[in-house]
Amino acid sequence: SQTIHQWPATLVQPVGSPLSLECTVEGTSNPNLYWYRQAAGRGLQLLFYSVGIGQISSEVPQNLSASRPQDRQFILSSKKLLLSDSGFYLCAWSGQWVAKNIQYFGAGTRLSVL
Amino acid sequence: AQSVSQHNHHVILSEAASLELGCNYSYGGTVNLFWYVQYPGQHLQLLLKYFSGDPLVKGIKGFEAEFIKSKFSFNLRKPSVQWSDTAEYFCAVKRSGGYQKVTFGIGTKLQVIP
Repeated sequence: SQTIHQWPATLVQPVGSPLSLECTVEGTSNPNLYWYRQAAGRGLQLLFYSVGIGQISSEVPQNLSASRPQDRQFILSSKKLLLSDSGFYLCAWSGQWVAKNIQYFGAGTRLSVL
Repeated sequence: AQSVSQHNHHVILSEAASLELGCNYSYGGTVNLFWYVQYPGQHLQLLLKYFSGDPLVKGIKGFEAEFIKSKFSFNLRKPSVQWSDTAEYFCAVKRSGGYQKVTFGIGTKLQVIP
């Protein structure tokens, strides 16, 4: 069966420090991968998606970047965190063909920038 | 671009009451529709989906949703809620065909009082 792992679960970082959140998927190949930010009263905002290794599409301009160095690995990064980067970050994957319509989410990372 | 509106941001019900959460989307073409649920402390997960066919779809735990194309709506219903239904519910829409991103509503927090 497919599983998605996201870590760390919580993270407290000072302003100006770098960020690296990692997401890996097991049990499937060539998944579509997504990074979302969930904010109270704002739902899920899609930040990045990837349909293959090295292929990243950004949905909103921001202080963050994403990379996909391996087929089932998706990384969310920042060189210098801002206070406004605080939030709850979710990684998700979807399959190919018919299964591509359904997204499966990780447990999320609660990021606090102080 | 498509958008999703969820009319109720916070709903409080007593056990055994009936539930209807409103969801409207804006896109004139063919769509795939979803309801996701996030129980306290758990992953966001799929509750039910509509791709095509019977506009009345049934999901897990007694939930159902009806797609009304003329009203651009996909309301979620349950005849009798339980305390365990306390969660946040997200409506989502995706344009049918190829890769298209999923757009989520802002979510509705449901609190069921025993």
